[in-house]
Formats: sequence, C-alpha cells, structure tokens
Amino acid sequence: SQQGEEDPQALSIQEGENATMNCSYKTSINNLQWYRQNSGRGLVHLILIRSNEREKHSGRLRVTLDTSKKSSSLLITASRAADTASYFCATDRAGGTSYGKLTFGQGTILTVHP
Amino acid sequence: DVKVTQSSRYLVKRTGEKVFLECVQDMDHENMFWYRQDPGLGLRLIYFSYDVKMKEKGDIPEGYSVSREKKERFSLILESASTNQTSMYLCASSLTPTSGYTFGSGTRLTVV
Repeated sequence: SQQGEEDPQALSIQEGENATMNCSYKTSINNLQWYRQNSGRGLVHLILIRSNEREKHSGRLRVTLDTSKKSSSLLITASRAADTASYFCATDRAGGTSYGKLTFGQGTILTVHP
Repeated sequence: DVKVTQSSRYLVKRTGEKVFLECVQDMDHENMFWYRQDPGLGLRLIYFSYDVKMKEKGDIPEGYSVSREKKERFSLILESASTNQTSMYLCASSLTPTSGYTFGSGTRLTVV
C-alpha cells in the first residue's frame, strides 16, 4: 500500500474558496513535503514540514502535521483558477540512510472554477 | 534557480530497443533521482544516486539501469524496452536530504 495517500482524489471548488487536501502515511518520517504538478509537467516543491513541527505557512499555503495520527493537511486559502493542478504529498521515511529519498502519494486533483 | 533538464519531452521507441533518458542539473546537487509516473499509481522510484558513480535501487528497478559518470548528469537506461515501460519519466535532484526536490519537465516515453 502507499506510504502517502491523499484524500480526496479530486476536489472541485470556486475561485475564492479554500481548498483542503489530506495525506496519510504509515511509517515514521523525517519530514513531509507537498508538491504541485501542472498538467503533464514536472512537479514543483511547495513546502516542507519536519517531523518535530506541527504547522507551517508559506503565502496562501498552510500545512499541518500530526505525527500521532500519521497525517498531514494542505490548506490553500482564497484559491485562484491558476491553482488548478495535482497536489502530491511525499514522505522521507525515518531510519537508515535515506539520502532524502521520497515516497509519493497518488495525488489530489484540484480544479478551481473562475 | 536550479534547473533540471531532461533531454527529450516526448520519445517513441520500438520494443527491444535500448533507450537512454538523460538528465542534467546545473547546481552541483549531490542527489539525483529517477521516477516513473503512471495513472493510478502515482510516482514510483526507479533508481537514485547520492554521489558520482554511486547508485541505489529504488522500488521498481527491474528492466532499468543508471549511470552517473559526472555529478551533473544522471542517465536512465532501458536495456530492452518493453510496452509496459510506456510512462512519464521524471528526473529530480536535491542538494541535501531536507532541501526538497527540483524536478525536470519529464519525458513521456511510448514503447510500440
């Protein structure tokens, strides 16, 4: 099964609304990262949260991490049509020498309607 | 900004061909990675490299090999292409384990 699993698989909202995506994982982690992918392109790094952090902000993005529940959420506030993309969580598993090797979830497809 | 360049955006190859996918980064990153992305399966790690000539298998290395002769270049090799290797291939690099990845634009490979 996937280390990172996003929920929901797809989300459709109107411009100006907030979008919340969730990610669950199974093993202990060093950090959790969120990425964005526009249609058919490479992924872009959005934000990284370490295992000892609970919340992090970057512009209109807010990420929370609950290590006791092994879950994270990404909130995009005041969404714009340009936020339409797929969003992936990725985990750097704790233990051993990982070299920052990431395991990705299957992603949430966000559609923001103008 | 760090740039990761993948040599081809689209590629069509025949079954049995040896295929080389090239990836070059321009910011002296230690770590480089190859993933493939398939609908419903997300991104899966094929191989990664943490230094010149050093490599480790990822989750799905079968049918692939890699080469890292210079720090900036990480090549993925399909020894004998098969139709089940039709996929989007994504290369990424990172400076440190906690610095996040920079991805290339991807190569969409079709094996016919």
